[in-house]
Amino acid sequence: ETGVTQSPTHLIKTRGQQVTLRCSSQSGHNTVSWYQQALGQGPQFIFQYYREEENGRGNFPPRFSGLQFPNYSSELNVNALELDDSALYLCASSLIAGINNEQFFGPGTRLTVL
Amino acid sequence: AQSVTQPDIHITVSEGASLELRCNYSYGATPYLFWYVQSPGQGLQLLLKYFSGDTLVQGIKGFEAEFKRSQSSFNLRKPSVHWSDAAEYFCAVGVGEYGNKLVFGAGTILRVKS
Repeated sequence: ETGVTQSPTHLIKTRGQQVTLRCSSQSGHNTVSWYQQALGQGPQFIFQYYREEENGRGNFPPRFSGLQFPNYSSELNVNALELDDSALYLCASSLIAGINNEQFFGPGTRLTVL
Repeated sequence: AQSVTQPDIHITVSEGASLELRCNYSYGATPYLFWYVQSPGQGLQLLLKYFSGDTLVQGIKGFEAEFKRSQSSFNLRKPSVHWSDAAEYFCAVGVGEYGNKLVFGAGTILRVKS
């Protein structure tokens, strides 16, 4: 069984650029959630995708957008990068149905915005 | 609004000593509660979860947590800490359908001294 993987591991961008982060779900999972973890803080929910549709969104501006593909992998896109977007971005996959909905996290992508 | 408070930013315990990490939550409905651990450079690993039933929950690595509805608390405990337990610990409440969107606390960094 393959766990959740994310790419790239690290990324450096400059303010105003755009970035795409990628996530491969754990086998059999149809739900992907993205979280932003700023330095010294807990992860904050960005949004969730279930069967290629957005299924909830946290308090993030529209320049944060996402996609989920038929194979349930996912992308997080951030436009017009700001310095405060520097953070660890975590992806988590889960089975949305049923009460046993443990989320399995990937190792994250560290984004630095200069 | 849902929220999680972890009052202790840092805790230092001696190896072999007992540990209790505090967590208080604010959520109107029956909560789904989680404890995750994050080691440097790694993603989040689930230690244990509470959905319903027995209020004392056993997890991996010898951890347990007790749900106290009257105190809105879900404290994490371990009777004897090992040096390898040094990490950052996050309490989370699951919101939305099936509790599959997580609201995290700010985390508690555990240091273990020999």
